[in-house]
Amino acid sequence: GAGVSQSPSNKVTEKGKDVELRCDPISGHTALYWYRQRLGQGLEFLIYFQGNSAPDKSGLPSDRFSAERTGESVSTLTIQRTQQEDSAVYLCASSLAAVSYEQYFGPGTRLTVT
Amino acid sequence: DQQVKQNSPSLSVQEGRISILNCDYTNSMFDYFLWYKKYPAEGPTFLISISSIKDKNEDGRFTVFLNKSAKHLSLHIVPSQPGDSAVYFCAASAIGNQFYFGTGTSLTVIP
Repeated sequence: GAGVSQSPSNKVTEKGKDVELRCDPISGHTALYWYRQRLGQGLEFLIYFQGNSAPDKSGLPSDRFSAERTGESVSTLTIQRTQQEDSAVYLCASSLAAVSYEQYFGPGTRLTVT
Repeated sequence: DQQVKQNSPSLSVQEGRISILNCDYTNSMFDYFLWYKKYPAEGPTFLISISSIKDKNEDGRFTVFLNKSAKHLSLHIVPSQPGDSAVYFCAASAIGNQFYFGTGTSLTVIP
């Protein structure tokens, strides 16, 4: 595929459960970003991976949130003990950070915590 | 603390007229700015960018203007088309990687 893909597209979970969201970036893109967009709000930066450097986790809202990336490929965002305020669209983006600032976004995962 | 602000949540424009979307920022260290367009149920798509060494960048019907002293940028779309109806986000970065996004402006182009 040519673009960034994310799965699942929709996830409904009960409060207190853990969820894993997956992102497949564009092949060859060294940078990967996670954002979240809550209803009526802008995109909120969560975490950034660049090659083998330590990730920039400064946007993670709490220690219930974590993310991993395997080399320069797939990334998973994990939310433990989900809360209703975690309900949002989670967007992943990738870029050729060394060449361009342009970020290519996936379609997002809509997470609903009931 | 919202470092990038889009104060107009929505805008309606007649087809063929100019659409002007505005964005303000607070961090004087921001040196790179982008505009993204987002359709419902899709991720944002890159539209146009500008670096702080320039005050204007043009790409077809889209022009971005940057006023560093006012910490303000704007996106002009002319002529506006119904297919331009979407939510537009501006984003800014200080060191090239972490971007701060505005809350978006929903543009409706009326045929």
